[in-house]
Amino acid sequence: SQKIEQNSEALNIQEGKTATLTCNYTNYSPAYLQWYRQDPGRGPVFLLLIRENEKEKRKERLKVTFDTTLKQSLFHITASQPADSATYLCALARDDKIIFGKGTRLHILP
Amino acid sequence: DTAVSQTPKYLVTQMGNDKSIKCEQNLGHDTMYWYKQDSKKFLKIMFSYNNKELIINETVPNRFSPKSPDKAHLNLHINSLELGDSAVYFCASSQDKWRDTTDTQYFGPGTRLTVL
Repeated sequence: SQKIEQNSEALNIQEGKTATLTCNYTNYSPAYLQWYRQDPGRGPVFLLLIRENEKEKRKERLKVTFDTTLKQSLFHITASQPADSATYLCALARDDKIIFGKGTRLHILP
Repeated sequence: DTAVSQTPKYLVTQMGNDKSIKCEQNLGHDTMYWYKQDSKKFLKIMFSYNNKELIINETVPNRFSPKSPDKAHLNLHINSLELGDSAVYFCASSQDKWRDTTDTQYFGPGTRLTVL
């Protein structure tokens, strides 16, 4: 069955460092991969989308990579700030189907 | 101005009751969705409507019935509530399906349903 795994439930990173979150998947060939941010008690907020034929996407301090051979996406936040603390979800989509990972809770320590 | 709104934010009810959650989007989007996020934090799509027509219906008990009176509204009716229905329900909308960044899904704030 299709499975998404996001690295460790919680990740602590020192302010100013680069935070790297991992999204691995099996038994699936997504056409698109998305990353969302979710704060406690709020709905997910879209951050970035990357297509299967793209290797990398950037937006301000965010960078996403997509390796369809490794079946992995990496999500980087450079120059991390305490305000970046949140849960980050990856989602895979093809046609009408979308599946979400459980998310990684990121804590940026001041 | 709220893009995607849901009411109520919290819903506490007894097993066996029937309840509804309302969702409205003012983004002019064609597609709306209902998601369930359980206690393990997995977000699972339940339904998707495009221009008032059902296009996705995942394996969801038929006690759950979405109703779309118009393109801007997608309500969720739940009959004979069960303990396992307790979760946070999110409504979302997008211009079209998630083919491009323009098809970003915008999520509502969620409705926390607790079935006692």
